[in-house]
Amino acid sequence: NAGVTQTPKFRVLKTGQSMTLLCAQDMNHEYMYWYRQDPGMGLRLIHYSVGEGTTAKGEVPDGYNVSRLKKQNFLLGLESAAPSQTSVYFCASSPTQTGPGELFFGEGSRLTVL
Amino acid sequence: GNSVTQMEGPVTLSEEAFLTINCTYTATGYPSLFWYVQYPGEGLQLLLKATKADDKGSNKGFEATYRKETTSFHLEKGSVQVSDSAVYFCALRGWGTDKLIFGTGTRLQVFP
Repeated sequence: NAGVTQTPKFRVLKTGQSMTLLCAQDMNHEYMYWYRQDPGMGLRLIHYSVGEGTTAKGEVPDGYNVSRLKKQNFLLGLESAAPSQTSVYFCASSPTQTGPGELFFGEGSRLTVL
Repeated sequence: GNSVTQMEGPVTLSEEAFLTINCTYTATGYPSLFWYVQYPGEGLQLLLKATKADDKGSNKGFEATYRKETTSFHLEKGSVQVSDSAVYFCALRGWGTDKLIFGTGTRLQVFP
C-alpha cells in the first residue's frame, strides 16, 4: 500500500529558483493538505483542498501556490524560492469532510534554499 | 481562534518510566482532539483520538482523556520503551472545520 507519496524527498534550490512538490495518494481521499514543519513551530498549514479542482489558503500561504487538477494529486509550487522557505514539507490526505477525521501523511520533502 | 499548547521538550526518560506529555487547547464548540507521533525520518501518524468530553483514546499503551473542564488532553504511558522515542504532536480539529491545528511537538527520548 503506497498511501501518500511525496516527490522529491530532498531538493536544494538557489534563491529565486522555482520548483514543484508533488503529492500523490491512492486512497481516494477527498481532502489533501500541505504543511511545513520548522523547529520549534510544529506543523503549519500552507494550503489545502477539499476536492478535485478546489484549493484554499491555510495559515502560511504566502510564496506558495497549489493545484488539484486530479483527485489523487496535490501540487505545491514555489515560484521564486527564498531562504525562509527552507523547511520540511509534508503532504497529508483525509477521507472525511468534517468531524473526527484522521490525516494520513507522506514521509516529507526536505527543501533547502541557499 | 483555535490553538494547542504543548509542553516543551525534550522529555528524557529511562526505560519503564512513566510518561506524561501535557497538552491544553483553546477552542469554541466541541473540537476533536488527537495525538500524532513522528518517528525519526518519517511522516506523522495518528496515535490516538477522542471526539467528545470524557472520552479516552488509547493505543499501543498510550492513553489520553478529553477533559473539557480543564481544556486538556494529556498523553500518558505507564512504562515507556526505547522504541517510543519520537516527537509527539497534540492536535485539534474544530467543530465543523476542515483543518487540523497542531501543537509545536514534544520530543521524547527514552534511554535503556
